Amino acid sequence: DAKTTQPPSMDCAEGRAANLPCNHSTISGNEYVYWYRQIHSQGPQYIIHGLKNNETNEMASLIITEDRKSSTLILPHATLRDTAVYYCIVLSYGQNFVFGPGTRLSVLP
Amino acid sequence: DTGVSQNPRHKITKRGQNVTFRCDPISEHNRLYWYRQTLGQGPEFLTYFQNEAQLEKSRLLSDRFSAERPKGSFSTLEIQRTEQGDSAMYLCASSLSTGREKLFFGSGTQLSVL
Repeated sequence: DAKTTQPPSMDCAEGRAANLPCNHSTISGNEYVYWYRQIHSQGPQYIIHGLKNNETNEMASLIITEDRKSSTLILPHATLRDTAVYYCIVLSYGQNFVFGPGTRLSVLP
Repeated sequence: DTGVSQNPRHKITKRGQNVTFRCDPISEHNRLYWYRQTLGQGPEFLTYFQNEAQLEKSRLLSDRFSAERPKGSFSTLEIQRTEQGDSAMYLCASSLSTGREKLFFGSGTQLSVL
């Protein structure tokens, strides 16, 4: 079973920041938070991952709360191509990725 | 970067027939995974290989499903005596074997069982 809880859907205006929340209240100290997204008719695509520090790459930023019980994926300037299902996954070392239903983000023109 | 390649992209079959899908991972990746995805759900883990060894299979994986990865390169997933409930997207992914490496997914094979 997925160890995370995400809203089923969200809307965001094009050009604005998209903030996607994820709750993982049972996360253990050695478990990482991963984010993937899946654009229609494609396989999931890795976005970013982190342990406890905030992370940023060319695609997004990941903000993890100090207690690590929740996180937020930030797409700073959403475009129509960011419309996708976003998956938040908590991963233990040696375990396989378990995907929940994710959040369906719709970027609106 | 050739990415993960899956063939065919679409497969339509009649109930009771056998089908086989192929996955070609990224060449330097020694781990290969199969997932299944139905409409509105996230991908569901089926099995994975490290090199040619099949190290884990989901308890949900029926005996009608079999996967191979000869020589640790490409992999095949066969479904025997297909059922309508097997209709789904079958996704393949590959990774390095450091334990936390990110997965690279193919575009999947969409199976429709009539």
